[in-house]
Amino acid sequence: QVQLVESGGGVVQPGTSLRLSCAVSGFTFSDYAMHWVRQAPGTGLEWVTMISYDGTSTYYTDSVKGRFTISRDNSKNSLYLHMNSLRPEDTAVYYCARDGNYDFDYWGQGTLVTVSS
Amino acid sequence: QSALTQPASVSGSPGQSITISCTGTSSDVGTYNYVSWYQQHPGKAPKLMIYDVTNRPSGVSNRFSGSKSGNTASLTISGLQAQDEAIFYCSSYASSGTRVFGGGTKLTVL
Repeated sequence: QVQLVESGGGVVQPGTSLRLSCAVSGFTFSDYAMHWVRQAPGTGLEWVTMISYDGTSTYYTDSVKGRFTISRDNSKNSLYLHMNSLRPEDTAVYYCARDGNYDFDYWGQGTLVTVSS
Repeated sequence: QSALTQPASVSGSPGQSITISCTGTSSDVGTYNYVSWYQQHPGKAPKLMIYDVTNRPSGVSNRFSGSKSGNTASLTISGLQAQDEAIFYCSSYASSGTRVFGGGTKLTVL
């Protein structure tokens, strides 16, 4: 069955960096675009970034452009989110999600990132 | 990249039908037939309920249906059941590879 498992979350200070990972199984990873979606505590979902199936195209929401980088290693069935210059407003549960053709058809369980001094 | 507009809450009694609206613009909902809906129970990951405006993934009850008119998409749930109580989010493709979500609607089954 399709599985997505995020890791790498934690408590970090403002201005620092963190890398999230998403290990996938149960499908041919290299056939699918992938997304990161976040959810700040008690709020709604926010799309963050997407990477194409082969990693050649990436897209970002305005608030993370220049600070976050999405990447993937198809040989390791893994998706990554490199987050730099973290701000308190980046505090959220970060979900990786598979692109099912303009929708998010499978989601991981999420990993919590807390940015606080 | 403005969020889509959803009502904060809706409610209904078991067996009734409810509809949740999702209003966007001509840059997203109005142009693309790529509206999807997600159900999220507390502490859980979202679950895809409707894709491409009207389609249900395998395993999703036919009590859930979607539609669109102009810049507004809608999710209708018929025959409300207690387990339907959750927060529902809409999402749309918004050009140049980007996506946008609605603010979420809390469904209460009375």
